[in-house]
Amino acid sequence: QSVLTQPPSVSGAPGQRVTISCTGSSSDIGAGFAVHWYVQLPGTAPKLLLYGNNNRPSGVPDRFSGSKSGTSASLAITGLQAEDEADYYCQSYGSGLNGPYVFGTGTKVTVL
Amino acid sequence: QVQLVQSGAEVKKPGSSLKVSCKTSGGAFSSYSVSWLRQAPGQGLEWMGRIIPIIGRGNYAQQFQDRLTITADRSTNTVYMDLTSLRSEDTAIYFCARETRLGASENFYLDYWGQGTLVTVSS
Repeated sequence: QSVLTQPPSVSGAPGQRVTISCTGSSSDIGAGFAVHWYVQLPGTAPKLLLYGNNNRPSGVPDRFSGSKSGTSASLAITGLQAEDEADYYCQSYGSGLNGPYVFGTGTKVTVL
Repeated sequence: QVQLVQSGAEVKKPGSSLKVSCKTSGGAFSSYSVSWLRQAPGQGLEWMGRIIPIIGRGNYAQQFQDRLTITADRSTNTVYMDLTSLRSEDTAIYFCARETRLGASENFYLDYWGQGTLVTVSS
């Protein structure tokens, strides 16, 4: 069901910067709809990480930032920490028959 | 503080029905849509449908139109998901989540999530 494409995995050493791409189409991200990001720690529910492309909910450290351009978006994690090891999902608006939510395929971040 | 608390794990037989509850607290229940999503083992997130409690009508992803009903009980601030004709492919963790959006736009996102309910469909 996912229509936004993410790399399956990215990795980095503690303190490094990693980025996760999220590629959509002219029907979703490219149509101007915002991108939101969720983080899912092992065995837990997803949690909102960024909304509206680059806005952090209360409590999310500023090590996390987002950007959007054209039909793609990116999540950057600077100063990578062990507790950042998790799955990350992007999400945008979908206008198709599968409803208003389109999710990314998910990216596993591994801290080396 | 907003919380969504879901009912416990279920084991179901193929062909049977499932009902999962999602009790919300700490927010204006009727003012926000609540969505249901699922995550099959090792897979990503799939949106199933949602309801706006104040309206009481759900809307559903096409692939679930014939099998899914979402209802809301405003007296208990609880949203329910009913899924019928279960098959093995319905084995997943089911999540409820509160929906919000940027201004009056269609930029919906999910700001609070339930803890998830593991559903296993097996004969």
